Amino acid sequence: DAKTTQPTSMDCAEGRAANLPCNHSTISGNEYVYWYRQIHSQGPQYIIHGLKNNETNEMASLIITEDRKSSTLILPHATLRDTAVYYCIVRVARGGATNKLIFGTGTLLAVQP
Amino acid sequence: NAGVMQNPRHLVRRRGQEARLRCSPMKGHSHVYWYRQLPEEGLKFMVYLQKENIIDESGMPKERFSAEFPKEGPSILRIQQVVRGDSAAYFCASSPTVGLAGHNEQFFGPGTRLTVL
Repeated sequence: DAKTTQPTSMDCAEGRAANLPCNHSTISGNEYVYWYRQIHSQGPQYIIHGLKNNETNEMASLIITEDRKSSTLILPHATLRDTAVYYCIVRVARGGATNKLIFGTGTLLAVQP
Repeated sequence: NAGVMQNPRHLVRRRGQEARLRCSPMKGHSHVYWYRQLPEEGLKFMVYLQKENIIDESGMPKERFSAEFPKEGPSILRIQQVVRGDSAAYFCASSPTVGLAGHNEQFFGPGTRLTVL
């Protein structure tokens, strides 16, 4: 699975959009970009995933650059409850012989009141 | 539909005792994963199981750790002769059978916090 690089931490004002970047310059053609988050002391939570097109769901939007070497997770209106560690994970969809997720260090997003 | 359930939520053991962590996947899910999160560290994959089969145990320590997912009942992560370094949060996740599209979202449980005294 491709390695990802994320900033260690970010701040965002409540009500504003939070834009979390992720670099994955070694991504392969059959690898998807997944985002999970972990609110303090809880289990990780799936947010969104994409291959090459931009994706949107009720939680967030995912913008993937045309060359697929980087992506941005957008929380359109951050709330205090969005304070969490956000993980960007790159992997093949079917996972081959295994479906394991490889978590990096993630980005700690602190939403400020 | 209940989510992934783990019990106990907190477990305290003395060095040398055994720890048994249980995970009940979401209804209809046949894939179970165990991850460990040491204090102040990220999540690390341990093992991936389907019913009655271990598919990938590349993240399991070579000794004292074992996992099973029987035909009936929850998945069990067993740690024998626990040491202080085993103190961590252990998360279980489950997913349905991977569909044609290939995507399999993993749903995580609340975790078991193991403390070894």
